[in-house]
Amino acid sequence: DVVMTQTPPSLSVAIGQSVSISCKSSQSLVYSDGKTYLHWLLQSSGRSPKRLIYQVSNLDSGVPDRFSGTGSQKDFTLKISRVEAKDLGVYYCAQTTHFPYTFGAGTKLELK
Amino acid sequence: EVQLQESGPGLVKPSQSLSLTCSVTGYSITSNYWGWIRKFPGNKMEWMGYISYSGSTSYNPSLKSRISITRDTSKNQFFLQLNSVTTEDTATYYCARRPGDYWGQGVMVTVSS
Repeated sequence: DVVMTQTPPSLSVAIGQSVSISCKSSQSLVYSDGKTYLHWLLQSSGRSPKRLIYQVSNLDSGVPDRFSGTGSQKDFTLKISRVEAKDLGVYYCAQTTHFPYTFGAGTKLELK
Repeated sequence: EVQLQESGPGLVKPSQSLSLTCSVTGYSITSNYWGWIRKFPGNKMEWMGYISYSGSTSYNPSLKSRISITRDTSKNQFFLQLNSVTTEDTATYYCARRPGDYWGQGVMVTVSS
């Protein structure tokens, strides 16, 4: 299985700060069609996961451009600029290139 | 709008089978891929398997022969069956459209005698 190493496990942030989360995969996530199926999701307290970014850098509908995703092959980063209170929760990276699909262990973003 | 809703018992006894239903509205399950994901106590997430638009299935090898995903296209529902459950299967179970753009609200299942 592809191991997704996500760091840090937690982040304490002040409103308005910017933060970055790293996700590294044990194999390249480039699929045979040339696309990279690495996604970022947020699970807020008491809610189901919500996908924010798909295929490395594409924002889902309604996701503010304070969120951005970068990376390639095996190394990916989620950046959140000007953190707002509604951004708090657990962030996951997930890959759907290789089955079984796998998730990172999560990064809990909380207020300082 | 695509909506998914899980249903099923919240408590299952060890060695019995866990059965869940995912009801989909706003989109036909004869298109795309539909999966089951679970989140264990703590944060660990596991993609269990999926059923395709044609009815073919793929299962996480970690679940070996315990898992089955089926569907009823007339009701636009798909189903999870997990056999021989143990306390290690206690989790919140989600159904979702691959690759995770739509999720159900989740159902917490506890395995306990």
